[in-house]
Amino acid sequence: QSALTQPASVSGSPGQSITISCTGTSSDVGSYNLVSWYQQFPGKAPKVMIYEGSKRPSGVSNRFSGSKSGNTASLTISGLQAEDEADYYCCSYAGSNTFVFGGGTKLTVL
Amino acid sequence: EVQLVESGGGLVQPGGSLRLSCTASGFSFISFWMSWVRQAPGKGLEWVANIKQDGSEKSYVDSVKGRFTISRDNAKKSLDLQMNSLRVEDTAVYYCARVWDDFLSGYYTPSWIDPWGQGTLVTVSS
Repeated sequence: QSALTQPASVSGSPGQSITISCTGTSSDVGSYNLVSWYQQFPGKAPKVMIYEGSKRPSGVSNRFSGSKSGNTASLTISGLQAEDEADYYCCSYAGSNTFVFGGGTKLTVL
Repeated sequence: EVQLVESGGGLVQPGGSLRLSCTASGFSFISFWMSWVRQAPGKGLEWVANIKQDGSEKSYVDSVKGRFTISRDNAKKSLDLQMNSLRVEDTAVYYCARVWDDFLSGYYTPSWIDPWGQGTLVTVSS
């Protein structure tokens, strides 16, 4: 049950694209296409942005996309906007009805 | 509107106990796995426990096994977390959350979390 590995911070200018990586193992990210991504603003509850690797819930902007290769999942935000500045967490199913989260990435919009 | 409202947080001494509750509304509670996720002050999210729709399966993060118990009452649409032998490192905001599942290899498997409650703060300190 080791946490997934995310970069502590990423930054980008408005209009640019950024990618946040999420590295796990063959026991979690690599074994299941069940990675989800959450956006969290200070003092607020997280909100799902991507589920099952690349699916977007209703109401989430199509500027958000997800992918996976091997043991690493990625969240890409295109056309970066100031309102995207937040913390982002990945989460993977890890077998035996358990989840494991990443350490979180702080996105700064310059 | 789907709502999850937690209660029961507060200040407790190390070694003490606390019971968190979550009341659900706006959806078919009995149709979903449910989860507790916590966030220590200034830290990241940590999954704590899951419980299946009928309560027959429960899973926990290693650090709380044997100390925490997740339970649910489908008639009351409520989810609980009994926390015993609390430690300073259990200090966190605890979120109640609905879990969506995916049919995987013949089983309905917890897949993603949405929505989350507003959270309740548990502080373990002497």
